[in-house]
Amino acid sequence: QKEVEQNSGPLSVPEGAIASLNCTYSDRGSQSFFWYRQYSGKSPELIMFIYSNGDKEDGRFTAQLNKASQYVSLLIRDSQPSDSATYLCAVRRWNTGGFKTIFGAGTRLFVKA
Amino acid sequence: DGGITQSPKYLFRKEGQNVTLSCEQNLNHDAMYWYRQDPGQGLRLIYYSQIVNDFQKGDIAEGYSVSREKKESFPLTVTSAQKNPTAFYLCASSPIPENYGYTFGSGTRLTVV
Repeated sequence: QKEVEQNSGPLSVPEGAIASLNCTYSDRGSQSFFWYRQYSGKSPELIMFIYSNGDKEDGRFTAQLNKASQYVSLLIRDSQPSDSATYLCAVRRWNTGGFKTIFGAGTRLFVKA
Repeated sequence: DGGITQSPKYLFRKEGQNVTLSCEQNLNHDAMYWYRQDPGQGLRLIYYSQIVNDFQKGDIAEGYSVSREKKESFPLTVTSAQKNPTAFYLCASSPIPENYGYTFGSGTRLTVV
């Protein structure tokens, strides 16, 4: 079992719909959670981070964290073709000697115009 | 503008050759990281450094070496001991503590010829 799991997709949604991206993690001690967007051939860019259970909203993006169920999700409202990218989930947890950030393999999102 | 600069964008390595990837940041971040990305896989940590003249191995350090002589610079050398070096290499930085995610450079795509 991978430490951070994401459905590889592609997830296809029509323009204007809500895209829901999910991520599960195995270490209950994980403390910080991040979503990155990566366009094809480009480097990842940070979209959001969340530490506490519940929702965190930033514009069209909402991150949701449920530590009891060990999942974190990203909702993208009013999806646009420009949102088509791979979305990486990252989890930061304590490791011997310090913290460690683990990345999932990413979910490809395709927004149809 | 602050950011991370990676060079070159594309690099071709012959069998048995060592090559060095450059990473420079002007964000005044203490921590710097090197990741490798292969298709369908999450980012894997090669090396990281939290202070000048000190660095730690990540999960896949074999066949790689780094130095941190200046806060702004964290070059990665891919040695001939790395048997499968073809990949997309990403440099990242963050303040310490690393609570707010990483800033990534634009990446170097290395191909063995």
